[in-house]
Amino acid sequence: EDKVVQSPLSLVVHEGDTVTLNCSYEVTNFRSLLWYKQEKKAPTFLFMLTSSGIEKKSGRLSSILDKKELFSILNITATQTGDSAIYLCAARMDGGSQGNLIFGKGTKLSVKP
Amino acid sequence: NAGVTQTPKFQVLKTGQSMTLQCAQDMNHEYMSWYRQDPGMGLRLIHYSVGAGITDQGEVPNGYNVSRSTTEDFPLRLLSAAPSQTSVYFCASSKDLWNTEAFFGQGTRLTVV
Repeated sequence: EDKVVQSPLSLVVHEGDTVTLNCSYEVTNFRSLLWYKQEKKAPTFLFMLTSSGIEKKSGRLSSILDKKELFSILNITATQTGDSAIYLCAARMDGGSQGNLIFGKGTKLSVKP
Repeated sequence: NAGVTQTPKFQVLKTGQSMTLQCAQDMNHEYMSWYRQDPGMGLRLIHYSVGAGITDQGEVPNGYNVSRSTTEDFPLRLLSAAPSQTSVYFCASSKDLWNTEAFFGQGTRLTVV
């Protein structure tokens, strides 16, 4: 069965801390790995990763994919209260009974002042 | 630039009632999908479509119906609402099935009493 597993499921940190969110996947015909941030409403796109070892960076956020070990990490440095959200990881695959984008359950990040 | 538009934002139904959640996108995307999000469950795929006239079931299709008569619109019908269908529903679209991000609507919070 195709699946995406995120860890931890929840995390509480203080402003200024650095956090690492984990995403492992087991899908057939893997295409790409996507990260989303979800605050109150719709998930908003952060990164899409297709190649191993190439870091994608946007401000204090960065992400990398390891296609050999089948996982990705999302790093957030110098966290701020505005980073509090649910972070979703999704694996895009070719076909399959689950459509072609499978989501993990998310990591709920709470950043305390 | 509207993106993906979902209506309504909130809805309360009585058990047994039927209704249609509307989803429209103005980006000429071929791929559209419906997800439901429940606490601790992440996003689960209900139905998806790879183009006008083509739909398929996702992970949790029971109790829902879809059609795709145009590229722009992908309505989700609840045939006979049940309390188990209380959830937040998201519509998403993407340009293709491969290496592009998915764009999400703002969600519909549905309560079935």
